[in-house]
Amino acid sequence: RKEVEQDPGPFNVPEGATVAFNCTYSNSASQSFFWYRQDCRKEPKLLMSVYSSGNEDGRFTAQLNRASQYISLLIRDSKLSDSATYLCVVNIGSSASKIIFGSGTRLSIRP
Amino acid sequence: DTGVSQDPRHKITKRGQNVTFRCDPISEHNRLYWYRQTLGQGPEFLTYFQNEAQLEKSRLLSDRFSAERPKGSFSTLEIQRTEQGDSAMYLCASSAGNVYNEQFFGPGTRLTVL
Repeated sequence: RKEVEQDPGPFNVPEGATVAFNCTYSNSASQSFFWYRQDCRKEPKLLMSVYSSGNEDGRFTAQLNRASQYISLLIRDSKLSDSATYLCVVNIGSSASKIIFGSGTRLSIRP
Repeated sequence: DTGVSQDPRHKITKRGQNVTFRCDPISEHNRLYWYRQTLGQGPEFLTYFQNEAQLEKSRLLSDRFSAERPKGSFSTLEIQRTEQGDSAMYLCASSAGNVYNEQFFGPGTRLTVL
C-alpha cells in the first residue's frame, strides 16, 4: 500500500460545480498535511495547510479525518482556472524524507 | 521577486555528461529541499539541508548525485555521468522550519538526457 494515495482522476466537471477529492495516508502518526496545486509543466504551489479542526479559504475547504486517515479538499463554485492537478502532501514523520507527495488528482473544469 | 529561483530552467545534455543545477531559496528560509518529479508522479524527495548541513539523503540519490549548500544560502545539485533515466524535472523548495513547515517551490529545472 502506498503511503499517500490519491484518485488520479481526471475529474471533469462543469463550471460552477462543487468537487471533492480525498487523499488517504497509511501512517497514523502523520503530523501535518497540505494541499498543493500544480499546473501543467509548472511547479507545485501551496494551496492550503490542513489543520486538525479543518479550514476554509474562500471557495476551498480542507478537512482532516484522523480516525479514517484521510484528508479532503472541497472546491465550491468551480472556475475554469481551477483546472490543475491537486497534490496531497503528508508529513508522516519528523524527518524531511518523510514528507510524502501523492501522485495528484487531475481536475478539468469545462465551460 | 522574492520567491525560490532555479537555474537553468531547461537543460539538454548527452548521456555521460555532467550537469549542475542551482537553487536560490527564499532569503529568510533556513531549510532547502531537492526533489525529482517525473510525468504523472508527485515530487520524490532527494535531499535536505538545514542551513549548510546536509541532513538527509534519499536512497534515490545514487553516488552520481551530489548536492551542496556551502554558505547556507544557495544550493547546487550535480549529476555526474548522466543517464537517460535521469531525465526529469528537478525541483527545489525552501521552508522556514516553523510549526507547519510549509514548503515553497521554485520553477524547476527540466533535464533531458539524450
